[in-house]
Amino acid sequence: GAVVSQHPSWVICKSGTSVKIECRSLDFQATTMFWYRQFPKQSLMLMATSNEGSKATYEQGVEKDKFLINHASLTLSTLTVTSAHPEDSSFYICSANREGNQPQHFGDGTRLSIL
Amino acid sequence: SQKIEQNSEALNIQEGKTATLTCNYTNYSPAYLQWYRQDPGRGPVFLLLIRENEKEKRKERLKVTFDTTLKQSLFHITASQPADSATYLCALYSGGYQKVTFGTGTKLQVIP
Repeated sequence: GAVVSQHPSWVICKSGTSVKIECRSLDFQATTMFWYRQFPKQSLMLMATSNEGSKATYEQGVEKDKFLINHASLTLSTLTVTSAHPEDSSFYICSANREGNQPQHFGDGTRLSIL
Repeated sequence: SQKIEQNSEALNIQEGKTATLTCNYTNYSPAYLQWYRQDPGRGPVFLLLIRENEKEKRKERLKVTFDTTLKQSLFHITASQPADSATYLCALYSGGYQKVTFGTGTKLQVIP
């Protein structure tokens, strides 16, 4: 089946640091990738839709200058949390699908802890 | 406002019994509905998809029903096993620009 790889799986860093998370589709080309955030015992909240070769579409309330998304190729999207603060600590998950009406394939998430 | 509710935060069931999870939605006209499984610290894994014109879908021990009149989907796991213990998420896709919205999930615990 389709595989989506997310890296790193776990990050601990100091407040003010910028953190980059990578999401790769390993065996298919993904024109669209999605970035989610999940708090403990809560569901996945869509942050943004990443489109290859164009600007990402951010959900209401998500700061695009805070969460920079780059989708430079059909197999790679990156999320950079700029100047991270403790309130940015969360579980970040990416997903991709081959076409708009197909199920999403998720990465294994990145646990981000800001001290 | 649009809302997706999964019947309970947690469900405990005896091994061998059928587990039934519920997903209710309001103010949606979903083109299709999906069910995912999520284990702790992992990303969700796709299980089943059912379209608006389908009543029922099966895959091995899994069965999903979709009632667009009741605005409800039921997810059944027959002959449940401890390995089925996980959080199960329903998700709705309404078409348009491919946005999928997830419910809050039900944590299933199958007791040996």
